[in-house]
Amino acid sequence: KNEVEQSPQNLTAQEGEFITINCSYSVGISALHWLQQHPGGGIVSLFMLSSGKKKHGRLIATINIQEKHSSLHITASHPRDSAVYICAVRKTGNQFYFGTGTSLTVIP
Amino acid sequence: DTAVSQTPKYLVTQMGNDKSIKCEQNLGHDTMYWYKQDSKKFLKIMFSYNNKELIINETVPNRFSPKSPDKAHLNLHINSLELGDSAVYFCASSQEYRTKLFFGSGTQLSVL
Repeated sequence: KNEVEQSPQNLTAQEGEFITINCSYSVGISALHWLQQHPGGGIVSLFMLSSGKKKHGRLIATINIQEKHSSLHITASHPRDSAVYICAVRKTGNQFYFGTGTSLTVIP
Repeated sequence: DTAVSQTPKYLVTQMGNDKSIKCEQNLGHDTMYWYKQDSKKFLKIMFSYNNKELIINETVPNRFSPKSPDKAHLNLHINSLELGDSAVYFCASSQEYRTKLFFGSGTQLSVL
């Protein structure tokens, strides 16, 4: 079993919809990262968080340390948001573990 | 200026060869990483390195070795390449382990 589980694996949404991607982990962590990988292959780090909530534009990331769970929300989704979203956790001891990614397609 | 640059972008080589992938960051970060992304797009950390310690993922074969000539560079050397080494390799950096990760654009390695 993977230390980091994401859901859903695949997601198709209409433009303008509110989107939620979930991440659950089973290890003690120092921080959690949300990454975005575009079809061209490049990876961009969206958020790093260890508690609470962070917001950047239309993206919001939350984490609940007690429940070992994080969510990434996209408000007013747009076709350019189509990408794979990857959750990664940094375990105490500086090891990283990655989820298998959520492939998001936003249809105009 | 690209923050994290890695070369080459594509590397095609024969089984058994030795190859290197170079990575440079101009962000002033002191921690650098190598990640491997397999054909199923699953990312896995291979190494993380700062001026204090090298952390090696225990699943990485010892044919892979990171070499850091200075804080801005972390090169990946691979000896005796095998078919299963074919993957995309990403370099990344951060300020210690406290900040977001900045990724290079990836090196697609194909072993024939």
